[in-house]
Amino acid sequence: GQQLNQSPQSMFIQEGEDVSMNCTSSSIFNTWLWYKQDPGEGPVLLIALYKAGELTSNGRLTAQFGITRKDSFLNISASIPSDVGIYFCAGLGSGGSNYKLTFGKGTLLTVNP
Amino acid sequence: DAGVIQSPRHEVTEMGQEVTLRCKPISGHNSLFWYRQTMMRGLELLIYFNNNVPIDDSGMPEDRFSAKMPNASFSTLKIQPSEPRDSAVYFCASRWQGSEAFFGQGTRLTVV
Repeated sequence: GQQLNQSPQSMFIQEGEDVSMNCTSSSIFNTWLWYKQDPGEGPVLLIALYKAGELTSNGRLTAQFGITRKDSFLNISASIPSDVGIYFCAGLGSGGSNYKLTFGKGTLLTVNP
Repeated sequence: DAGVIQSPRHEVTEMGQEVTLRCKPISGHNSLFWYRQTMMRGLELLIYFNNNVPIDDSGMPEDRFSAKMPNASFSTLKIQPSEPRDSAVYFCASRWQGSEAFFGQGTRLTVV
């Protein structure tokens, strides 16, 4: 089945630093999504990407849909303590699998004030 | 809208007992998903409903797991009998076709 490789698994950074994480896949996805999960909560959508090459920003967050449709990255600029959490990439398949979200294993982000 | 509502938030049960998890999707959404999250395996899709009909249940671990969606505003995930390895956080998510999936807060299940 489809798999997403998300890296890094975890990051420890100082407040104010920029963060970058990415996902790669052996399969093509039509949509890439980035979610954040806070402790004890469900994942919450941060950014959605619909076109290959698309670069989208949401405040301090920037994400890109790779040209090959097999990868995506998420950047967080000027990190703050509330950025702490687990970040997941997710790919939405095509054709008969266009309902199925495949998730990466997540990147645990810790921000030291 | 209140979002996807799951109950209970926490469930502790003894091995062999029946467990029922409940989900109320966002009104107007026509797709519903049940996911299981563990440290080892991450987020796994268990079952997907479209217009209340189960479309893909290939992720359901075994016959002890069953899910129903009797109407557009309610779904259940049942485990019978439960086992310690079923301990995980179970998420329900819903979406309108073509939109992103919105997740509930999850049910943390502990089977002792």
